[in-house]
Amino acid sequence: NAGVTQTPKFQVLKTGQSMTLQCAQDMNHEYMSWYRQDPGMGLRLIHYSVGAGITDQGEVPNGYNVSRSTTEDFPLRLLSAAPSQTSVYFCASSRRTGTGNTEAFFGQGTRLTVV
Amino acid sequence: KNEVEQSPQNLTAQEGEFITINCSYSVGISALHWLQQHPGGGIVSLFMLSSGKKKHGRLIATINIQEKHSSLHITASHPRDSAVYICAVAPYGGSQGNLIFGKGTKLSVKP
Repeated sequence: NAGVTQTPKFQVLKTGQSMTLQCAQDMNHEYMSWYRQDPGMGLRLIHYSVGAGITDQGEVPNGYNVSRSTTEDFPLRLLSAAPSQTSVYFCASSRRTGTGNTEAFFGQGTRLTVV
Repeated sequence: KNEVEQSPQNLTAQEGEFITINCSYSVGISALHWLQQHPGGGIVSLFMLSSGKKKHGRLIATINIQEKHSSLHITASHPRDSAVYICAVAPYGGSQGNLIFGKGTKLSVKP
């Protein structure tokens, strides 16, 4: 049981380049999300998905696209990287417990630098 | 004002000390999470609370729903406890999995 797997762990991009951060989970969770973590700030929600075929914007969606073609995968695409997107990115999946609480699982993070 | 406030922001302790990290929040919640992040590492969930108290090894988490406050305690701290501890809340009625995060408390335990 691998949990939440993110790739790559590190990436350096030039301004204007595009790339996709991969996220996969093997727990059959419906809910998946992408966060970015910046110094001095809490994690901020970029995009999320409540199930295959359904995505929605979070707090900071500009410059990012997502899709959810399967329950397992939730890739994050940077269409034209900007230095402001230098950050650490975390993918998470979650499930409702029997008591109605939300149990969250996080990937190992992707450290992205845009030069 | 942030919806989730943690204190202190930074904490340095000597090995063996008892440590407390606090989290206050301003929204109604269905659950509160305590997370741990080691330098350069991923995020690991330590506790999920909706009431009362939970204990796992040397870690204890408490929550007071009426006061909108939670604490994370570490007994007999050890250098390997050095990490950033993050409080996150799941707002009541919010979309499943949408969490609001505190900025984290950076803990350094000296030998």
